[in-house]
Amino acid sequence: AQKITQTQPGMFVQEKEAVTLDCTYDTSDPSYGLFWYKQPSSGEMIFLIYQGSYDQQNATEGRYSLNFQKARKSANLVISASQLGDSAMYFCAMREDGSSNTGKLIFGQGTTLQVKP
Amino acid sequence: NAGVTQTPKFRILKIGQSMTLQCTQDMNHNYMYWYRQDPGMGLKLIYYSVGAGITDKGEVPNGYNVSRSTTEDFPLRLELAAPSQTSVYFCASNILGSAYEQYFGPGTRLTVT
Repeated sequence: AQKITQTQPGMFVQEKEAVTLDCTYDTSDPSYGLFWYKQPSSGEMIFLIYQGSYDQQNATEGRYSLNFQKARKSANLVISASQLGDSAMYFCAMREDGSSNTGKLIFGQGTTLQVKP
Repeated sequence: NAGVTQTPKFRILKIGQSMTLQCTQDMNHNYMYWYRQDPGMGLKLIYYSVGAGITDKGEVPNGYNVSRSTTEDFPLRLELAAPSQTSVYFCASNILGSAYEQYFGPGTRLTVT
């Protein structure tokens, strides 16, 4: 069954340093997408980055990059040069794109990131 | 474009009451979703719709109903509210296809006491 696991409930990082948030997934569908969303304390869901299962290169969006290791079924988010505004909850999510392609997202439990000044 | 809008932002219900959470999107997206987020947890899918007149259950549908009479609107109905339905409810929509993310509404915070 499809599943997303985020094993780090909380993380601390010093401002300007890089941080990696872990995400592992499980699916039998060969075609899928992996997403990271940010949820600040105000509560909205902000899309950060996407990686398709057939993409050859790791996705990057500004200070965000996705370390995609398909054989290990991991899709870790790397935030470079952390800023105070990065303090938030981060969710990894998966969408199966195979025969039952409905766009449904399956979310992990989330990781709370605190950036220290 | 306003994107995905939800009303109300906050609501307190008594046990046994009913209410409808409204969701509207102006992006002409066929696909719409309702998720709930319990405190400190990830989002779980309640119901989804792949087009007007078509809805299906997600992971946690019990106690809820939906309808989709237009492309724009996807209301979520709570019947006989229970404390277990205290949560934040998010509506989302998207176009299917690789790299297209789901667009989320701002959420409705519901407390059942």
